[in-house]
Amino acid sequence: QITLKESGPTLVKPTQTLTLTCTFSGFSLSNSGVGVGWIRQPPGKALEWLALIYWNDDKRYSPSLKSRLTITKDTSKNQVVLTMTNMDPVDTATYYCVYSSSGYYYAWGQGTLVTVSS
Amino acid sequence: QSVLTQPPSVSGAPGQRVTISCTGSSSNIGAGYDVHWYQHLPGTAPKLLIYGNSNRPSGVPDRFSGSKSGTSASLAITGLQAEDEADYYCQSYDSSLSGWVFGGGTKLTVL
Repeated sequence: QITLKESGPTLVKPTQTLTLTCTFSGFSLSNSGVGVGWIRQPPGKALEWLALIYWNDDKRYSPSLKSRLTITKDTSKNQVVLTMTNMDPVDTATYYCVYSSSGYYYAWGQGTLVTVSS
Repeated sequence: QSVLTQPPSVSGAPGQRVTISCTGSSSNIGAGYDVHWYQHLPGTAPKLLIYGNSNRPSGVPDRFSGSKSGTSASLAITGLQAEDEADYYCQSYDSSLSGWVFGGGTKLTVL
């Protein structure tokens, strides 16, 4: 059974850097074809794809947020970390960690609500 | 504005059939990239409903079906049930953006 869980701060101040950790089980990020990504949903709005890292360390980012995002993995710890710099109130959202296979998201974490406010 | 266009809302009575459209362009659906669908119930994580245009993961009832043609895709739900009331999102890959994109979501109301 694949499970993912997001962890990180629930409140960040504007201009600060957000660091979110995804801890997963049920698969290995060293297996060919496997990816772990991040998707967010602002309150009342649609899902937005943010970033994805593959088993071979190939990294993909949303073009609109690429300059602010960094995704890394620690295969030995079964973790993926997303950092987003220069946070703004518009970045307030529920952030989901996802397991990716063949371009779709087979499993999702429960999500973590991050509020950006001073 | 989302790259993939969905109707904001659809509704139907229990037992009826509803469809949700997802319209893209030549850089995503029309380029041959697969379309996937997710069901999002309030307060829960989204759930994969259809992958690869028309495939159902294990455990998804066959009341849910997907199709794709040209630059559009559709999700059909037959035998509508109260528990189907949720938000539905389509997703694909866009070559112009070099990334994955979602539709704006469709709220299904079971009357």
